[in-house]
Amino acid sequence: QSALTQPASVSGSPGQSITVSCTGTSSDVGGYNYVSWYQQDPGKAPKLMIYEVSNRPSGVSNRFSGSKSGNTASLTISGLQAEDEADYYCSSYTSSSTLYVFGTGTKVTVL
Amino acid sequence: EVQLVESGGGLVQPGGSLRLSCVASGFTFSSYSMNWVRQAPGKGLEWVSYITRSSSPIYYADSVRGRFTVSRDNAKNSLYLQMNSLRAEDTAVYYCARLYTSGWFLDYWGQGTLLTVSS
Repeated sequence: QSALTQPASVSGSPGQSITVSCTGTSSDVGGYNYVSWYQQDPGKAPKLMIYEVSNRPSGVSNRFSGSKSGNTASLTISGLQAEDEADYYCSSYTSSSTLYVFGTGTKVTVL
Repeated sequence: EVQLVESGGGLVQPGGSLRLSCVASGFTFSSYSMNWVRQAPGKGLEWVSYITRSSSPIYYADSVRGRFTVSRDNAKNSLYLQMNSLRAEDTAVYYCARLYTSGWFLDYWGQGTLLTVSS
């Protein structure tokens, strides 16, 4: 099972919107609405930001939103803020023998 | 408050063994499936293993299948990862993470424990 594909880096200015993509296959992203997104600050544990494609856990800013089209899921951060600078990982349930897969990770930089 | 606290990491020689532990508190441990996820230095997240509430079924990543064994003791609110035949590429921070009851996402994570495999 290969990792889901994400861009290595995405950047934007404060106040702008950015989108991070996550491309898989019909066995994972495209086949199930089980895509989630995690934010990770340096030296810290990942934090759940989006689950089941587009749902936000309690306490997560509504500036974070998720969507999916075919085999590609997307995380959009609107009104970009300095505190959003972090690594972001997508993940998905997969019907392969390995059950769960993460994306390659994207470093979001606020210019 | 949900808490997951990993321990047991350290320095091990190639070919050696080690057991990681994760103690849970703040929720009914026996009601949740659990996972191990690792992150090599400077690299991305890699899912390692999954164990259901009742310890069956169990799943492993291809990279660790046959070498690692996940288990749990619901009476002790504890999750374990027995790691044998360790390789340099197993060097990573190992996180335990709770799987949400009715979905496929990891809603709580521990702070991680570092395993270094080196001679």
